[in-house]
Amino acid sequence: QSALTQPRSVSGSPGQSVTISCTGTSSDVGGYNYVSWYQHHPGKAPKVMIYDVSQRPSGVPDRFSGSKSGNTASLTISGLQAEDEADYYCCSYSGTYTSPWVFGGGTKVTVL
Amino acid sequence: EVQMVESGGGLVQPGGSLRLSCAASGFTFSRFWMHWVRQVPGKGLVWVSGINGDGSSTKYADSVKGRFTISRDNAKNTLSLQMSSLRVEDTAVYYCAWDSGWHFGFWGQGTQVTVSS
Repeated sequence: QSALTQPRSVSGSPGQSVTISCTGTSSDVGGYNYVSWYQHHPGKAPKVMIYDVSQRPSGVPDRFSGSKSGNTASLTISGLQAEDEADYYCCSYSGTYTSPWVFGGGTKVTVL
Repeated sequence: EVQMVESGGGLVQPGGSLRLSCAASGFTFSRFWMHWVRQVPGKGLVWVSGINGDGSSTKYADSVKGRFTISRDNAKNTLSLQMSSLRVEDTAVYYCAWDSGWHFGFWGQGTQVTVSS
């Protein structure tokens, strides 16, 4: 069981928007603005898409956006494209010595 | 261009040992925390261990504490993970990850570790 809770799957048609939620606690998501999101195509290296809740690294399309409210963070993909089909993981700093970083269980995004 | 290449994975029997390495380039390696993150087949990502820039501070997940040792050689831009007393449940793809500032800014491709008799 992962520390952060994500839906197992979401889907949408090309051009549509999808939102992935990531629910934690006041000790992780709710306590720090260090939530990040990773895109993972099987067999490849995970790639950061959002960091510090809503910051987008250079090179990441502005179709990807992040937000947070209380203990729940969200990743929205607008204008869904075929290449967006992948697994997405949220991650939060938790501040604890033995588990400073906690991940969600991952969400499979399917482009219909 | 940032590059990170893991090596050292393989098949090992329960109770055995394995040493993973990660060769990094394209950034000032000695200034940053580095981490190991693993993914069990069909499951999510799990943080395993981290080490600060000069190697003076290390952290471990409870599941590996006392069995795994993280280290780094800043002269060679290399991160290592010495794994001993390996268990079947340690079977996973192990990724090294660069902590570029409160997030994992870059990951290697991963190396497969299989613990089986």
